[in-house]
Amino acid sequence: DAGVTQSPTHLIKTRGQQVTLRCSPKSGHDTVSWYQQALGQGPQFIFQYYEEEERQRGNFPDRFSGHQFPNYSSELNVNALLLGDSALYLCASSLGMRWKETGGYTFGSGTRLTVV
Amino acid sequence: SQQGEEDPQALSIQEGENATMNCSYKTSINNLQWYRQNSGRGLVHLILIRSNEREKHSGRLRVTLDTSKKSSSLLITASRAADTASYFCATEGAGGSNYKLTFGKGTLLTVNP
Repeated sequence: DAGVTQSPTHLIKTRGQQVTLRCSPKSGHDTVSWYQQALGQGPQFIFQYYEEEERQRGNFPDRFSGHQFPNYSSELNVNALLLGDSALYLCASSLGMRWKETGGYTFGSGTRLTVV
Repeated sequence: SQQGEEDPQALSIQEGENATMNCSYKTSINNLQWYRQNSGRGLVHLILIRSNEREKHSGRLRVTLDTSKKSSSLLITASRAADTASYFCATEGAGGSNYKLTFGKGTLLTVNP
């Protein structure tokens, strides 16, 4: 049973460029959340997608956008990259109906984004 | 903003000893979860405790939750070198439309062989 798959693993971009990160959720999960983790910090919630819509958003600018496809996979797009966007981007999948969930979220291994 | 605060920030113990990490949070929660992260990679879910539970066990892990003090503790018994990792507490806030996890800054645990 495949877990959460993220691609690419590592990415180097130039300031001002745009980037797209991809995530396939764990089999059976229908909800995808994205987190940003700066070095030495805990993950920060960016947004969550459920039924192809953004269900909740964290305190991130509009440069961060996302999409969820009918097969539940998701993309995170970041426009006009800043040096401060350098971080580990984590995708987490879960069941949309949280009351059905008896465990936590399943995280992918992340995409390490470096902005130069 | 970070809701949880783990304490201590770093902990170094010998193999076989117990490790205790604490977490405090600020707002009402539905549940509190503990995750482990090795070398800055993905997080692995360890245990979830709901707001109406006080203690939970899973293998060598024991978690307690005190909602009146807004605090939790994670105890790892008989630690092994493989337990070396960063440990994060994360809260899922109360309210029907609150789905995000709010993480603390983590505790770096080093288990020396």
